[in-house]
Amino acid sequence: QSVLTQPPSVSGAPGQRVTISCTGSSANIGANYDVHWYQQLPGTAPKLLIYGSTNRPSGVPDRFSGSKSDTSASLAITGLQAEDEADYYCQSYDSTLSGYVVFGGGTKLTVL
Amino acid sequence: QVQLVQSGAEVKKPGASVKVSCKASGYTFSNSGVTWVRQTPGQGLEWMGWISAYSVHTLYAQNLQGRVTMTTDTSTSTAYMELRSLRSDDTAVYYCARATSPSSGYVYWGQGTLVTVSS
Repeated sequence: QSVLTQPPSVSGAPGQRVTISCTGSSANIGANYDVHWYQQLPGTAPKLLIYGSTNRPSGVPDRFSGSKSDTSASLAITGLQAEDEADYYCQSYDSTLSGYVVFGGGTKLTVL
Repeated sequence: QVQLVQSGAEVKKPGASVKVSCKASGYTFSNSGVTWVRQTPGQGLEWMGWISAYSVHTLYAQNLQGRVTMTTDTSTSTAYMELRSLRSDDTAVYYCARATSPSSGYVYWGQGTLVTVSS
């Protein structure tokens, strides 16, 4: 059971907007630690999509955006494309002994 | 360009140890830390630990304390992760990533190393 909770799956049609939530606690997201988001295609290493809760590394399309509020964070994807079908993970820091750095359980995005 | 190239797949018996390497290039290795993340088949990501620049500090996930050791060799720009007393549930793909701090986002990743633990 992950310290950060994500929905196991989300789906959307091409062109639509989807959001993926990441719910934590006062020990991680609520403690104002940064949240990062990754996209993982099958058989490949994760790719950083969002860092510091809202920032995009160079080369990441502006269709991807991040937000944070209280003990939760969200990843939004607009103008959904077939190539966005992948697993998405959130990451944060945790001030308890659960492991310092924690990942969400991951969300499978299906493009219908 | 920054590259992290990991060693090849390993098959180990329960109780054995494994040491995975991660050779860095394209940046000043000694100025940045390295984190290790593993992913069991069909499952999510698990943070294993982090070693700082110049190997001054190490942080290990609580559930791996006592079984894992992370080191670096600045002369070859290589990071190592050794896991001991292997169990079947250690079967996973192990990734290294460049990490200026344990809480930073990880931009650069190795390609992953599959470690299979089986009798």
